[in-house]
Amino acid sequence: DVKVTQSSRYLVKRTGEKVFLECVQDMDHENMFWYRQDPGLGLRLIYFSYDVKMKEKGDIPEGYSVSREKKERFSLILESASTNQTSMYLCASSLSGYTRNTIYFGEGSWLTVV
Amino acid sequence: AQTVTQSQPEMSVQEAETVTLSCTYDTSESDYYLFWYKQPPSRQMILVIRQEAYKQQNATENRFSVNFQKAAKSFSLKISDSQLGDAAMYFCAYRSGGATNKLIFGTGTLLAVQP
Repeated sequence: DVKVTQSSRYLVKRTGEKVFLECVQDMDHENMFWYRQDPGLGLRLIYFSYDVKMKEKGDIPEGYSVSREKKERFSLILESASTNQTSMYLCASSLSGYTRNTIYFGEGSWLTVV
Repeated sequence: AQTVTQSQPEMSVQEAETVTLSCTYDTSESDYYLFWYKQPPSRQMILVIRQEAYKQQNATENRFSVNFQKAAKSFSLKISDSQLGDAAMYFCAYRSGGATNKLIFGTGTLLAVQP
């Protein structure tokens, strides 16, 4: 089975802290994604990566950056956490290509910024 | 830009009954895919059903089926013989036919199943 692992399920950080959310997938997927989920807003794409060291902004990239140094790992970075970044963050991965590739999700990371 | 709209924030159904969740989308593309995802309290997103836009036949997966109306840009999910385990948040999602596979989600419908 494909596994997308988000190492931290629950985090509490202080305003202004630098925060790293880590995601690892074990199926050699080219594409990886970071989404943010908020009540009433659904899932919104922050960033995605289609290859090592390649990234593209999603719909809400402000206040975030990402790093993909290895194919299996995609990190979301909050340079200076703010209270409006309190949310659940979901990582996902998939194969590339024009076929019916399934997107697999991690279990989410709950981040509270105080 | 593509958008996905779910107009029902919450729905409720009696066990063993049928419920339909609504979804509309907006796109100018001809090649795309549509999905329904289920998110139970564990927060793990589970793919329920997928529909390719080029297929006229509505997708079916056991008790789950869709009503895909391409001209109306409507993609509703029907759950038959509802079970307690169907209680979850349901998201409708759109994906362009390109290579990057990024999904655009609706705001979700929270489904409660009454025993």
